[in-house]
Amino acid sequence: GAGVSQSPSNKVTEKGKDVELRCDPISGHTALYWYRQSLGQGLEFLIYFQGNSAPDKSGLPSDRFSAERTGGSVSTLTIQRTQQEDSAVYLCASSLVGTQYFGPGTRLTVL
Amino acid sequence: AQKVTQAQTEISVVEKEDVTLDCVYETRDTTYYLFWYKQPPSGELVFLIRRNSFDEQNEISGRYSWNFQKSTSSFNFTITASQVVDSAVYFCALSIIQGAQKLVFGQGTRLTINP
Repeated sequence: GAGVSQSPSNKVTEKGKDVELRCDPISGHTALYWYRQSLGQGLEFLIYFQGNSAPDKSGLPSDRFSAERTGGSVSTLTIQRTQQEDSAVYLCASSLVGTQYFGPGTRLTVL
Repeated sequence: AQKVTQAQTEISVVEKEDVTLDCVYETRDTTYYLFWYKQPPSGELVFLIRRNSFDEQNEISGRYSWNFQKSTSSFNFTITASQVVDSAVYFCALSIIQGAQKLVFGQGTRLTINP
């Protein structure tokens, strides 16, 4: 079956602009995660959605970051007023029972 | 808090050699999962294995084997008769079984297999 998909694969933006990153989880997976991979910080957790429960936002680095998940499926990660330190690969994962499967990621470059 | 340490930043071996990637973890929780993921040059994280904290049986899958030892908090990964296609960055990760099960990753080991 289809895996986790993410769009766009690459995004170049100017400092101060807003960006939206999209994630389509594996069909039927109830849990969805966002992670960020950067050279300095490695792989770090950002946010977690499980069904209709309130999301776990404990990993979001600032209030410029937000995410939503509509209808228990597709998720959008929004970064407002982007900064150069936001440049990274943003990875989405989904799971049903314990194991997270990752999408190909969105490489964000902030100029 | 949880922590995963992969002390080997880079490893380079010649094809057909055996290679072991080390992973040491820290957690106060008694129920957790341990994982290995592979990240080839294409960038996508590929799931390799998951072990539960209450199951210390070692596992073998083809040329891959995993050694889980709770006594030393280690979950090492061995590739036997390495191949060029094994070249990738390998990540060890831990998640607590309760709650969000968010993954805590090690810093990764870049493995290069030379022909």
